Amino acid sequence: EPEVTQTPSHQVTQMGQEVILRCVPISNHLYFYWYRQILGQKVEFLVSFYNNEISEKSEIFDDQFSVERPDGSNFTLKIRSTKLEDSAMYFCASSRGGEKLFFGSGTQLSVL
Amino acid sequence: GENVEQHPSTLSVQEGDSAVIKCTYSDSASNYFPWYKQELGKRPQLIIDIRSNVGEKKDQRIAVTLNKTAKHFSLHITETQPEDSAVYFCAASMHNNDMRFGAGTRLTVKP
Repeated sequence: EPEVTQTPSHQVTQMGQEVILRCVPISNHLYFYWYRQILGQKVEFLVSFYNNEISEKSEIFDDQFSVERPDGSNFTLKIRSTKLEDSAMYFCASSRGGEKLFFGSGTQLSVL
Repeated sequence: GENVEQHPSTLSVQEGDSAVIKCTYSDSASNYFPWYKQELGKRPQLIIDIRSNVGEKKDQRIAVTLNKTAKHFSLHITETQPEDSAVYFCAASMHNNDMRFGAGTRLTVKP
């Protein structure tokens, strides 16, 4: 069964550094998403991406965040200058038709 | 934007009993309501979903009901088993738009 894959599984960075989280969505999916989950809390929407552009973004997704689909398979989330409060599990998800989301296994980001 | 409330935050049942988790949503335009199960340290996985043109859907021991007028939907798990123990999230969205999740319910099924 096809899966959404994310790399790395863990990322440790210093405050103020840039990080790039990588995702490979399921190949025939058209909608791509980033969510984050702070330990023990709910899954929070960050951004959705369709047809090579952002379709929706939340209040969390400020100017420090950006997304890119640099080629036909990868979907990346960049955090330009990380803050302590960016520490969380970041999940990529994809969907074929904008409904059933399939999540990757996540990247645990720790900002020190 | 959409706001999803979920109750209870924790639920403990005996094996074999039923469990019910309830959610409300704020945006009457939402038309898609999935439920996800998340085991410790793992990704959320879709277990059942319902669209707004349907009032109830069942898949073996799991059922979901939707009341559009009241803007609430519920997950029902019957004959619970220890492997049902997990965090369950409800969510709501309009087609193609951002999906918003509830705060989660930690279900514990005691053997």
